[in-house]
Amino acid sequence: GAVVSQHPSRVICKSGTSVKIECRSLDFQATTMFWYRQFPKQSLMLMATSNEGSKATYEQGVEKDKFLINHASLTLSTLTVTSAHPEDSSFYICSATRWYQETQYFGPGTRLLVL
Amino acid sequence: GENVEQHPSTLSVQEGDSAVIKCTYSDSASNYFPWYKQELGKRPQLIIDIRSNVGEKKDQRIAVTLNKTAKHFSLHITETQPEDSAVYFCAASRGGGADGLTFGKGTHLIIQP
Repeated sequence: GAVVSQHPSRVICKSGTSVKIECRSLDFQATTMFWYRQFPKQSLMLMATSNEGSKATYEQGVEKDKFLINHASLTLSTLTVTSAHPEDSSFYICSATRWYQETQYFGPGTRLLVL
Repeated sequence: GENVEQHPSTLSVQEGDSAVIKCTYSDSASNYFPWYKQELGKRPQLIIDIRSNVGEKKDQRIAVTLNKTAKHFSLHITETQPEDSAVYFCAASRGGGADGLTFGKGTHLIIQP
């Protein structure tokens, strides 16, 4: 199998605080991990691409200083939403790929609510 | 960048009938086209994918066709069942494992009993 986990599954925080979301590939080494955001009843939008040991590549319109991504190992990537505001409330989903394979395996997602 | 259009946004079919969802893409360099099924509040699940060197692929009741010249691809579900009810997303990328996916807006498939 190819299992991807995320933690936490849901988080509620106050406006202005930072939230860290973890994405782990449990049974394979992920050369690349991706972060997507999904607003209610909308599609998934790619936020950034993360490769182990190098800086993440952000999509146009995504603030890299607000959404900090760290890919410290071949099985772990983290997304930190800094100074969160209510408009950052969304469903954040990560995915991972194996070495040079296109198939993306998605994590279960993290529902963020900023009050 | 890539742009993926998906139609229809909602599709209601009688149980046992077929369902077809269509997508078009803009980037001629895209060569990997997966389809995902997502149930409410859950992760997207890959149901089938196709690469640009293939025109059609089938897996039991599900098939995908690709027309690279016209830049469109379609999902076909035959003998629909109630558990097929979900939101389906098409996507496209340049492949190779290092490119993120550009998703269509999704199709809410409703199977009427």
